[in-house]
Amino acid sequence: EDKVVQSPLSLVVHEGDTVTLNCSYEVTNFRSLLWYKQEKKAPTFLFMLTSSGIEKKSGRLSSILDKKELFSILNITATQTGDSAIYLCAEFSGSRLTFGEGTQLTVNP
Amino acid sequence: NAGVTQTPKFRVLKTGQSMTLLCAQDMNHEYMYWYRQDPGMGLRLIHYSVGEGTTAKGEVPDGYNVSRLKKQNFLLGLESAAPSQTSVYFCASSRGTGGGQPQHFGDGTRLSIL
Repeated sequence: EDKVVQSPLSLVVHEGDTVTLNCSYEVTNFRSLLWYKQEKKAPTFLFMLTSSGIEKKSGRLSSILDKKELFSILNITATQTGDSAIYLCAEFSGSRLTFGEGTQLTVNP
Repeated sequence: NAGVTQTPKFRVLKTGQSMTLLCAQDMNHEYMYWYRQDPGMGLRLIHYSVGEGTTAKGEVPDGYNVSRLKKQNFLLGLESAAPSQTSVYFCASSRGTGGGQPQHFGDGTRLSIL
């Protein structure tokens, strides 16, 4: 059974800090790994990483995938209060996603 | 620019009652999904559909049924609601799979079973 584990489960930082969120996975037919941000309602897509694209960057957010060690990290630099959210990692194999529990990030002013 | 729309947004049911949650997408996506989200457990897949007229079981299908009679709609039914089904339900859709296509989520339905 596919499994995705995120750490830490919660994190509190001050504005301007840099944070690293972790995601490890155990899958039998890995295709891609996705990161989502969930504020109050719907999760919104951030990045998708595959064997042909193991590093992505968008503004202050970046993510890498280590297919050998089976993990991914999401980095957020110069955090802002608007970055406060649950960050979800999901692994895609076959036809569906398997999600981790999520990391609750709180950025204080 | 609706994307994925879920109705209703909130609902309170009594144990044993039945109801249907509706999900509609206007992006012409083939794949649709129903998840439930509970504290400390992330998003868990209930059922999904890879095209009109098809459905398949996900990780936690018991107590739920689904139908995909039209490509744009995916219905989730609870025949006899139980308190364990109190949760936030999310619908999602995606263009396809292949190496994985990002799923687009609705805003969720908060369901309480008393």
